[in-house]
Parts: sequence; C-alpha cells; structure tokens
Amino acid sequence: QSALTQPASVSGSPGQSVTISCTGTSSDVGTYNLVSWYQQHPGKAPKLMIYEVSKWPSGVSNRFSGSKSGNTASLTISGLQAEDEADYYCCSYEGYSSWVFGGGTKLTVL
Amino acid sequence: QVQLQESGPGLVKPSQTLSLTCTVSGGSISSGGYYWSWIRQFPGKGLEWIGFHHNSGSTFYKPYLTSRVTISVDTSKNQFSLKLTSMTAADTAVYYCARSNGVYGADFDHWGQGRLVTVSS
Repeated sequence: QSALTQPASVSGSPGQSVTISCTGTSSDVGTYNLVSWYQQHPGKAPKLMIYEVSKWPSGVSNRFSGSKSGNTASLTISGLQAEDEADYYCCSYEGYSSWVFGGGTKLTVL
Repeated sequence: QVQLQESGPGLVKPSQTLSLTCTVSGGSISSGGYYWSWIRQFPGKGLEWIGFHHNSGSTFYKPYLTSRVTISVDTSKNQFSLKLTSMTAADTAVYYCARSNGVYGADFDHWGQGRLVTVSS
C-alpha cells in the first residue's frame, strides 16, 4: 500500500500539452480501471478531473484526458492555460475496498 | 448541489482521540449508493484515503489504520464522523470529508473544505 509514483513537477508553456504519469503496480493500477485524477489549487480542496481512467465528470474541460498502459496511468492536459497551474494527484483502487493516492505533481505554466 | 463541511478540534494532544464530523447539505446522506469518505493530506502534501461508509451499511478502512479508526453515520443529523485513536505527530494533517460513487466509490466528486488537525502537547 505504498503511494503511487508521480513526478514531483512538470511544466509547459501556454497552449502546449503536458502529460503527468502515475505509476503503480500490478495490484492496483495494472489490475483495475479505477484510476482518477484530482486538481488542487493552493488552499483549496482537490477537484475531480478524470475518473475510471478516462471519463470526464460533468463540467470538466475535455482539455483534460486520461489513459492507462500496464501499471502506469497518465493525465494529459492540452492547450495549457494559466489556471491549470496546480497540484495534480492520481488515485487508484488497490483491492480489498481500499484506495491509494499518488504523491502529487506540481504543474507550472511558464 | 451537495456540500460537505468538516468540524472538530484543530489541536489534539498526543495519545488522545480525534473526533471530526462532516455535515452534508443539499442532499440526504442516506439516499443513493454513495460512499462517505475521510481523506487526509499530510504537510508534505501527500493524500491518504482513511476509509468510507457505504449506504448499504458497510464500512471500509485503510488496512493499516483499521485498529485505530471508526467511521459512523448519523442519518438524523445528515452527518458522518471520524474517530481516530492514539494520535501522534504523524497524524498531523488536513482532514477532508468527501462523497464518492461509482464502482467501489471510484470518483470522489464532492469534498469539504478541509480541517487542519495538529497533534501537539
């Protein structure tokens, strides 16, 4: 039940695309299509951006997309905007009715 | 629109029990197949799922916290609560309550604003 592995930071310029990876194991990300992604601005609660690997909650821009390959899930943000600058966290089901989060990635929009 | 709000002490002494309450507004806590969770965020920013209560009556906890944690629901007050015993400095965190649904509660789609809990004598 170790945290999922995310890069500490990523950056991109406005209009560009960035991808944030989330690496787990064959016991969590690799087995279940139950990966979600959260955006967190400073001092705010996390906000659901993607669930079940690639589904969008109502109201979330389709500039955010999710995918998975093997034990690694990814969040891609296209057409970067200044307001996308935030921390991003992945989360995966790990079996036995338990959930595990990633360590978080700070996105900087240059 | 469902809203969640945490309440409880911001300072707990080592070895004491933390008690937090989450008040749900804009919807009944007992309707729908929802999961009602507690999630914490440590000062270094990592998030940790603590556990949740499902409207079926089942409750699930992070395995290594099972001996210390209890999540309960009070439908008459539309609230759910967290009790965490034997608090230490390592439990210092912002505690969030959240609602999820879907497969095994796959999407934490509504969150409270969070309650900072510091463990110190």
